[in-house]
Amino acid sequence: EVQLVQSGAGVKKPGESLRISCEGSGYSFTSYWINWVRQMPGKGLEWMGRIDPGDSYTNYSPSFEGHVTISTDKSISTAYLQWSSLKASDTAMYYCARQRKGLFPYDSWGQGTLVTVSS
Amino acid sequence: EIVMTQSPATLSVSPGERVTLSCRASQSISSNLAWYQQKPGQAPRLLIYGASTRATGIPARFSGSGSGTEFTLTISSLQSEDFAVYFCHHYNSWPPFTFGPGTKVDIK
Repeated sequence: EVQLVQSGAGVKKPGESLRISCEGSGYSFTSYWINWVRQMPGKGLEWMGRIDPGDSYTNYSPSFEGHVTISTDKSISTAYLQWSSLKASDTAMYYCARQRKGLFPYDSWGQGTLVTVSS
Repeated sequence: EIVMTQSPATLSVSPGERVTLSCRASQSISSNLAWYQQKPGQAPRLLIYGASTRATGIPARFSGSGSGTEFTLTISSLQSEDFAVYFCHHYNSWPPFTFGPGTKVDIK
């Protein structure tokens, strides 16, 4: 069974750093891109960026580039999304989603990680 | 950046009714469009990809059509479990791969 399991919810203060994770199982991790998607409270879905776990090549949305970093450790089938300095506006649910390499949809999603940033 | 728009924003319908949701891309995305369903407290679920292909396990009452810039998701007879928010999403050649703002289907 294909699964993407994300790390648990986190509460942080503005200016703090955070790394959340997404572990894939039940498939060849390096055969699929991992995308990260933000959903602010009561809002829609925003594509943040993606990574190729095979070579760590990344694409970022202009809206998020420079504010987050996407990385991966293929030895443990895990992708990461990290912030070096959180803002209150980063409060949101974050999803990872896998995408077969090429022009394919996101066919499996993680359960989501709720990040709350509050002083 | 390709901008995705959806209409209507909210649709109030009764169970058993036929529902048609629209999605438009600001430039041609060929058939590289997916529809996702999201229920409260859950992750999105893939319904349709390639504009018209149902994902594994998706009931036949869901169908998609369109290409280029105009797309439609149709639910032939709405069931109680179909009340949710529906997002369209392009995955055409170049990022960013934007989502539409969503259409909420709620009970009339």
